[in-house]
Amino acid sequence: KQEVTQIPAALSVPEGENLVLNCSFTDSAIYNLQWFRQDPGKGLTSLLLIQSSQREQTSGRLNASLDKSSGRSTLYIAASQPGDSATYLCAVRGQGGSEKLVFGKGTKLTVNP
Amino acid sequence: DTEVTQTPKHLVMGMTNKKSLKCEQHMGHRAMYWYKQKAKKPPELMFVYSYEKLSINESVPSRFSPECPNSSLLNLHLHALQPEDSALYLCASSQGGSLEQYFGPGTRLTVT
Repeated sequence: KQEVTQIPAALSVPEGENLVLNCSFTDSAIYNLQWFRQDPGKGLTSLLLIQSSQREQTSGRLNASLDKSSGRSTLYIAASQPGDSATYLCAVRGQGGSEKLVFGKGTKLTVNP
Repeated sequence: DTEVTQTPKHLVMGMTNKKSLKCEQHMGHRAMYWYKQKAKKPPELMFVYSYEKLSINESVPSRFSPECPNSSLLNLHLHALQPEDSALYLCASSQGGSLEQYFGPGTRLTVT
């Protein structure tokens, strides 16, 4: 059974700092991995989707990497801003293109002005 | 347009009530999902519809009844809920089951 772990559970940084969020998964046979952000009481916003054949994806100040063989993904946020404060979730989809996403518990990020 | 809309935003219902949650997308997506999210927990998948047919039911109690009237609409009918069913209910859609999922803002449900 696939399990997804995100460390740390919470992170507080000063504005302007570069930071890395970690995601690990137990079964390396994944189809793809998706990073989301969630503001309190709101829905999920898709940030990046990495296919199993890819090593990284970039969108603006965000860069996500994937090392499938070691079961790890990282989300790098450059020059953090207070508006980046949210909970970041990673989710993996099983090989074969399963419709089911398995989520980690998320990392709650606070960027202090 | 990558928007998934959900109504209502908030819902308070008694344990004997019948209510429905509604989800809509106009992106031409063929897969639609219902998730339940409790506070400080990740979303839990409830149902998946693919091409308007139910493809996944994650052993959800029968007091939750999904319906997909057409490719743009997804409903969740609620009946005889329990207080522990209080949660944020999220709808999502994707072009295909294995592709990027887009989430709606959710319905905050409180069962009294």
